[in-house]
Amino acid sequence: GIQVEQSPPDLILQEGANSTLRCNFSDSVNNLQWFHQNPWGQLINLFYIPSGTKQNGRLSATTVATERYSLLYISSSQTTDSGVYFCAVLTYNQGGKLIFGQGTELSVKP
Amino acid sequence: KAGVTQTPRYLIKTRGQQVTLSCSPISGHRSVSWYQQTPGQGLQFLFEYFSETQRNKGNFPGRFSGRQFSNSRSEMNVSTLELGDSALYLCASSEAGGPGDTQYFGPGTRLTVL
Repeated sequence: GIQVEQSPPDLILQEGANSTLRCNFSDSVNNLQWFHQNPWGQLINLFYIPSGTKQNGRLSATTVATERYSLLYISSSQTTDSGVYFCAVLTYNQGGKLIFGQGTELSVKP
Repeated sequence: KAGVTQTPRYLIKTRGQQVTLSCSPISGHRSVSWYQQTPGQGLQFLFEYFSETQRNKGNFPGRFSGRQFSNSRSEMNVSTLELGDSALYLCASSEAGGPGDTQYFGPGTRLTVL
């Protein structure tokens, strides 16, 4: 099956710094989503981005489907950005079945 | 619209018992998927229901089962609980579970098996 790898596994930043999180996937996908898991466990949707670039405030994401990777950019990080970031992909013949990476745990220090 | 809701939020059971978790999707969504999250295995897909039919299933033993009702609400059941079933169980809903659909997650049910 499709493999999803995220890097780095852990990241520590000072408040105000920028960061880039990467997600590589091993096969063509029809759906790619980025999530932020808050301290209570809920997965918060950040982007639905199977291809192209999107921006939402301090966050932006780019997926290059032909090269099978996606990047999540966080600019001017804040302590509230701390948590685990997951990317997840879905292929055409796996309706409803998101395959998750192992996540990047981000810690933003004041 | 209200988001995905899950009940209960926390549950403590002992080995050998069974448990039922509930998930109410976003209004109008007909696909509900369930995931298990553990520190060792990460987020793993359990099963997906669409229009009351199981459409996709992950690699979990038969002790894990589910169903979906006509109003799209879904339940999952775990029988003969084992210590390793301790996990955060998340459900997600989408309009049709298709490749172009965004999936939205509920807050999860944290199950502890003693």
